[in-house]
Amino acid sequence: AQSVTQLGSHVSVSEGALVLLRCNYSSSVPPYLFWYVQYPNQGLQLLLKYTSAATLVKGINGFEAEFKKSETSFHLTKPSAHMSDAAEYFCAVSPPYSSASKIIFGSGTRLSIRP
Amino acid sequence: KAGVTQTPRYLIKTRGQQVTLSCSPISGHRSVSWYQQTPGQGLQFLFEYFSETQRNKGNFPGRFSGRQFSNSRSEMNVSTLELGDSALYLCASSLIGQDVSEAFFGQGTRLTVV
Repeated sequence: AQSVTQLGSHVSVSEGALVLLRCNYSSSVPPYLFWYVQYPNQGLQLLLKYTSAATLVKGINGFEAEFKKSETSFHLTKPSAHMSDAAEYFCAVSPPYSSASKIIFGSGTRLSIRP
Repeated sequence: KAGVTQTPRYLIKTRGQQVTLSCSPISGHRSVSWYQQTPGQGLQFLFEYFSETQRNKGNFPGRFSGRQFSNSRSEMNVSTLELGDSALYLCASSLIGQDVSEAFFGQGTRLTVV
């Protein structure tokens, strides 16, 4: 069985500050891990994915995440927040080589950016 | 190439009515999955279609149904609408045999039941 927990339903940072969104997972098999971003009334856009290659994954818009097996974590970071980063972020887990039906999503973290 | 297209984008229905939502996958993609997103329950898997056959189904009542056509376009239908069916419905498409790392989401259909 797999699950994912996002710590903090709402995170607020100042423009230019570090963004850190936390995600912990549970999986009985080596997982695939994802971060998606969703803007209001839009679908989900894939930011980055971990599929058992490099543990530090770089994504779009300057985001990156590090897979830490010992901590069962996959936290999302960005060195300097921009106003356009304000959105909801979802961490997700799935078994490898499976279809979209097997994705388990976290409850989401809403990121607000203060001017 | 064009992304996943969902129509309509917004819909308002009355309790007790039925509704049909459409999803056109990326050209060449034959797997389509549907999700319901609500503030309280988050993103929940509804069902997946592949080559016109339902391959997986989530834990939703029989009022929720779907189908896939030979051109891979998919529809989902909700009968006897309830207020709790108000949600953003998302579909995702992927290639034959490709794993989940290649799933692409549409912009969703916002259904409001009044």
